[in-house]
Amino acid sequence: GAGVSQTPSNKVTEKGKYVELRCDPISGHTALYWYRQSLGQGPEFLIYFQGTGAADDSGLPNDRFFAVRPEGSVSTLKIQRTERGDSAVYLCASSPKGGRASTDTQYFGPGTRLTVL
Amino acid sequence: SQQGEEDPQALSIQEGENATMNCSYKTSINNLQWYRQNSGRGLVHLILIRSNEREKHSGRLRVTLDTSKKSSSLLITASRAADTASYFCATDQDWNNAGNMLTFGGGTRLMVKP
Repeated sequence: GAGVSQTPSNKVTEKGKYVELRCDPISGHTALYWYRQSLGQGPEFLIYFQGTGAADDSGLPNDRFFAVRPEGSVSTLKIQRTERGDSAVYLCASSPKGGRASTDTQYFGPGTRLTVL
Repeated sequence: SQQGEEDPQALSIQEGENATMNCSYKTSINNLQWYRQNSGRGLVHLILIRSNEREKHSGRLRVTLDTSKKSSSLLITASRAADTASYFCATDQDWNNAGNMLTFGGGTRLMVKP
């Protein structure tokens, strides 16, 4: 079956612009995660959805970052007033159930490489 | 912030040799997972080991976990050039009340020379 897909694969924008990054999780997966990976580092957690609700958004760096998952499937990560420091690969992952102490495997998408000029 | 350290940061070996990567973490965990990443893009899940397990095998992969030392190791036996990638450990921390978001280490970049 289809895996996690993310669009666009690459996004180049100018400082101060608004961007939206999309994630299509594996069909039927309840849990959805966004991570950000800077060059040469491991991914860092941003936000976790259980169904339609953001169960944990403690990883969002500031209020310029926002994410939604209105129907419990596709999610959009939104970044306002982009800054050069936002440049990174944004990774999305989904898992069947999620939840505390779950041992679900998280399936990652290919990521969106965001470059802010 | 990252949970822990991976050691070494980079490793270069010849095809056929074994590769060992280590991971240390800071807080108590529910489980620890190893992922592989090619060319800085999507991560591929390799293996999950629960906090009450000490060793796990999957094909050429062997993972150990020592919760008393808060450390894990990944052994790849009989390496192949296709194993060239970055390898990350990730922990699901025990204190997390909401869900099982992962905390990743900095990764080990493995190069296997043919």
